[in-house]
Amino acid sequence: DAKTTQPPSMDCAEGRAANLPCNHSTISGNEYVYWYRQIHSQGPQYIIHGLKNNETNEMASLIITEDRKSSTLILPHATLRDTAVYYCIVSIIQGAQKLVFGQGTRLTINP
Amino acid sequence: DAGVTQSPTHLIKTRGQQVTLRCSPKSGHDTVSWYQQALGQGPQFIFQYYEEEERQRGNFPDRFSGHQFPNYSSELNVNALLLGDSALYLCASSFSPEGTYEQYFGPGTRLTVT
Repeated sequence: DAKTTQPPSMDCAEGRAANLPCNHSTISGNEYVYWYRQIHSQGPQYIIHGLKNNETNEMASLIITEDRKSSTLILPHATLRDTAVYYCIVSIIQGAQKLVFGQGTRLTINP
Repeated sequence: DAGVTQSPTHLIKTRGQQVTLRCSPKSGHDTVSWYQQALGQGPQFIFQYYEEEERQRGNFPDRFSGHQFPNYSSELNVNALLLGDSALYLCASSFSPEGTYEQYFGPGTRLTVT
């Protein structure tokens, strides 16, 4: 079973910031938070990952709470191409890593 | 650089038949994982191959088997197909020794069992 809880769907206006929440209250000390997204009919795409510090890359920012029990993925200026299912996953980073996907959040960007 | 490639793109089989799906990992990657994604669900981990050995397996029956070749490409075999095996089969590759920071997914093979 997935170790994360996400809202099933969200809407966001184009050009605004999209904030996607994720709860992972049972996360272990050696587990990272990963975000992947899946655009319709494509394979999942890696977005970002983090352990306990906030992270930013060219695609998004990841904010992890101090107790590590929840996180937020931020797409700063959402475009129509960001419409996808977003998956929050917790996993170790070494060895035989397997990704346990939940249902994810279906994010719809509206014009 | 070609990313992860999978073949075929689509496949239609009949119950009881056997199927083989193929995956070529991203250049430089040595680990291949397979996932099954039923319609409307998130991907479910089937198994992972590293150094031509199955390293970890998810909750799938023995009808699902795999193989990894010396060039790191991989095959997924499913015997005695059931209607419930209809799904998108995804292959993901990664580079193991440095830790698996991210997995690169292929576009998938859509299997329909009739």
